[in-house]
Amino acid sequence: KQEVTQIPAALSVPEGENLVLNCSFTDSAIYNLQWFRQDPGKGLTSLLLIQSSQREQTSGRLNASLDKSSGRSTLYIAASQPGDSATYLCAVRLSGKTSYDKVIFGPGTSLSVIP
Amino acid sequence: GAGVSQTPSNKVTEKGKYVELRCDPISGHTALYWYRQSLGQGPEFLIYFQGTGAADDSGLPNDRFFAVRPEGSVSTLKIQRTERGDSAVYLCASSPRGLAGGPGEQFFGPGTRLTVL
Repeated sequence: KQEVTQIPAALSVPEGENLVLNCSFTDSAIYNLQWFRQDPGKGLTSLLLIQSSQREQTSGRLNASLDKSSGRSTLYIAASQPGDSATYLCAVRLSGKTSYDKVIFGPGTSLSVIP
Repeated sequence: GAGVSQTPSNKVTEKGKYVELRCDPISGHTALYWYRQSLGQGPEFLIYFQGTGAADDSGLPNDRFFAVRPEGSVSTLKIQRTERGDSAVYLCASSPRGLAGGPGEQFFGPGTRLTVL
């Protein structure tokens, strides 16, 4: 059974710092991994999606890496800003020989960037 | 273009009542997902539709929960005999392609916050 964990559960950093959020999954047979941002009381906003054949994706100040063999992904945020404060969730899509498309989420990391 | 929309945004009901939650996916998206999110947790998968059919309903907690998507677009999540433990945010997501072979990116709606008193 696929399980997804995220460390740390919460993180508080001063503005301008670079930071890394971690995501681990137990079964390496994934189709893709997606990082989301969730603001309080809101839905999820997609940040980056990495296909299983890819090693990393970049968008602006964000960089996500994927190491399937070790069951890990990291989200790197450069030069953090107060507007980055939110909960960050990773989600893995299971792969298989059928059209199975189940997505398993981690519990999230709550990030606070202090001005 | 319009994103995924969900109605109502908030629903307060009494224990034992029936509720319906609606999701309007992005036009043309064939795959639709329902999730439930409790405070401090990640979204928990409930059910996945590919077109009109439920391809995977293994996440529905019990037979009080049911979802339909009769025309392959709008979906309704139905909860009978609501219980206090059903209180959560119910999220809907759509994807342009649900089958393996596409990028599989999901686009989420803002959610419906359900409170059962």
